[in-house]
Amino acid sequence: AQKITQTQPGMFVQEKEAVTLDCTYDTSDQSYGLFWYKQPSSGEMIFLIYQGSYDEQNATEGRYSLNFQKARKSANLVISASQLGDSAMYFCAMRGHNTDKLIFGTGTRLQVFP
Amino acid sequence: GAGVSQTPSNKVTEKGKYVELRCDPISGHTALYWYRQSLGQGPEFLIYFQGTGAADDSGLPNDRFFAVRPEGSVSTLKIQRTERGDSAVYLCASSLTPGTSGRSGELFFGEGSRLTVL
Repeated sequence: AQKITQTQPGMFVQEKEAVTLDCTYDTSDQSYGLFWYKQPSSGEMIFLIYQGSYDEQNATEGRYSLNFQKARKSANLVISASQLGDSAMYFCAMRGHNTDKLIFGTGTRLQVFP
Repeated sequence: GAGVSQTPSNKVTEKGKYVELRCDPISGHTALYWYRQSLGQGPEFLIYFQGTGAADDSGLPNDRFFAVRPEGSVSTLKIQRTERGDSAVYLCASSLTPGTSGRSGELFFGEGSRLTVL
């Protein structure tokens, strides 16, 4: 069975600072993919970043980077230079090998204050 | 439009009634997913289509839930004899290729249909 755990229900960060959102996962697959999605109050899920289990380098997409520690089964999202518009729910998700569904964690609510 | 479209955006119904929720995926996307999101929770997988067939329906909670995709494009999620516990946001997503462990498996989501069962 596959499982995603996000232990931070809520996080606060000051504008322009960096913040790390935690994600750990559990799988017996050797090949898998890890995703982060943002969900603003409008409700739409917005893809942010992807990391493959065999990728040797941590993924980066603009201000987003993924701190992938395979041995610890963690895939933390780092947002640099936070902006007020970053305030939203953030979900970590995983897709295992030979399966097509994404399994999501319970999410972290990030609030950026001026 | 260019994105995933879901209708209705809001649906209020009474317990015991039948409900249909529609999803129009991004043109050309062969894979289509339904998720359910309860308040304060992450999206919960319901069913996945590859083309017209349901490739994985392991997330459907019981036989009151059914989904179709007859022409491999638009999909309808059908809920019979609705219960108050069915109240949630139902999210639809599509992707260009079947899920793999690659970037091409990225899901594009609609804004959801909020179902309230009174």
